[in-house]
Amino acid sequence: QVQLVESGGGVVQPGRSLRLSCAASGFTFSNYGMHWVRQAPGKGLDWVAVISYDGSQKYYADSVKGRFTISRDSSKNTLYLQMNSLRAEDTAVYYCAKRDSSGAPPGKVNLDFWGQGTQVTVSS
Amino acid sequence: QSALTQPASVSGSPGQSITISCTGTSSDVGGYNYVSWYQQHPGKAPKLMIYDVSNRPSGVSNRFSGSKSGNTASLTISGLQVEDEADYYCASYTNRYTGVFGGGTKLTVL
Repeated sequence: QVQLVESGGGVVQPGRSLRLSCAASGFTFSNYGMHWVRQAPGKGLDWVAVISYDGSQKYYADSVKGRFTISRDSSKNTLYLQMNSLRAEDTAVYYCAKRDSSGAPPGKVNLDFWGQGTQVTVSS
Repeated sequence: QSALTQPASVSGSPGQSITISCTGTSSDVGGYNYVSWYQQHPGKAPKLMIYDVSNRPSGVSNRFSGSKSGNTASLTISGLQVEDEADYYCASYTNRYTGVFGGGTKLTVL
């Protein structure tokens, strides 16, 4: 069965960096686009970034562009989110999620499987 | 990338039908048939309920249906059940190749 397991969250000071990982299993990882979505405490879902099935296309929300980088390693079935210059407003649970198909465009928010999330807290 | 607009809350009684609206612009909801809906129970990950405006994933009850008119998409839940009480989010593809979510709607089943 499909499993997505996020890791790498924690408490970090403003301006510092953190790298999140999402280990995928139960499906052919290299065939599907992947998204990161976050949710601040008591708030709604916030789309963060997408990477196409082959890693050739990457798109970001304006709020993280230039600070966050999405990547994937199909040899390890793992999705990453490198987060630099972290701010208090980046505090959230970060979810990785799988696209429902390899079909274009990769930014379609048809996310059929989600991980349980990893908490990121940015605080001094 | 402004969030799509949803009502903060809706409510209904068991057996009734409710509709949640999701308003965007011609750059997102109105420009593509790529609207999806998610159900989220407290402390849980979101669950895909509708994709591409009106399609249901396998396993989702046919009590859930979606539609779109212009820049506004809608999710209708018929025959409300207690277990439908949750937060609901719409999402759309945008003309900047990105995604965007709505602010969320809390459904209360009275």
